[in-house]
Amino acid sequence: DGGITQSPKYLFRKEGQNVTLSCEQNLNHDAMYWYRQDPGQGLRLIYYSQIVNDFQKGDIAEGYSVSREKKESFPLTVTSAQKNPTAFYLCASSILQGAAETQYFGPGTRLLVL
Amino acid sequence: AQSVAQPEDQVNVAEGNPLTVKCTYSVSGNPYLFWYVQYPNRGLQFLLKYITGDNLVKGSYGFEAEFNKSQTSFHLKKPSALVSDSALYFCAVRDNAGNNRKLIWGLGTSLAVNP
Repeated sequence: DGGITQSPKYLFRKEGQNVTLSCEQNLNHDAMYWYRQDPGQGLRLIYYSQIVNDFQKGDIAEGYSVSREKKESFPLTVTSAQKNPTAFYLCASSILQGAAETQYFGPGTRLLVL
Repeated sequence: AQSVAQPEDQVNVAEGNPLTVKCTYSVSGNPYLFWYVQYPNRGLQFLLKYITGDNLVKGSYGFEAEFNKSQTSFHLKKPSALVSDSALYFCAVRDNAGNNRKLIWGLGTSLAVNP
C-alpha cells in the first residue's frame, strides 16, 4: 500500500448525494486507475488516466466521474446516478511500460449507503 | 477476447503442506501474467509477474508461479504454506496486441491455511 493513499477508509452516502473518494500517490507514476470490487465479482475498471487532464472510461463508468488536474491525484466522484454504489473502491497507479506494467494499489475505501 | 479463469473459489490446505492456486488464461497475443494477494479490507499487493523468459517466476513471501504456454496456465505455488498466507488471490492478464492498457482479472480464489 506504500505510496498510494486513499481517504476516507469508510464513507457513507445518503440518497441523492454525490460523494468524492480521494486517491493520492507520491510514486511519480504516470497512470492511475479506479476499480470497484464487489464480493464474487473480482475487480471492475471504472476509469483510468495516463496523463494529466486526460482520462478514459473503463467497463463500468456510468454514474461515476473523475478528474486528473495533478499527476499525484485522481479523485473519483460517485454521483447520485449510480444506483448501487455500495462496494469497495480501489485506486491503483503504475509507470507506463506497455503490457508489462505493474499496477500498485492503495488500501481502498468502503462506500456504504445510508 | 481476453479472459482469465480461476477455477477454484476456495482452496484449503494444511499448514506446512504445499499449496497451488490455479489460473488459466486466453489472449490473442503474448500474455503478461500477474498474481496479487488481498488480505481482508485491504488493497491488493503485487506478488509476481511473468513477462518473458524463464517459465518459473519467483515472487514475494516465498511464492512462485509456473507459466505453461501449451496449457495456457499460470498456477501460483508455495512449497510450505503458512497460516498467514490465508487471503484472497487474484490472477490477471494483459496481452501485447494493440494498445490495450487494461488488465483482465480473475474472480479470485480464497485460500485458507489450517493450523
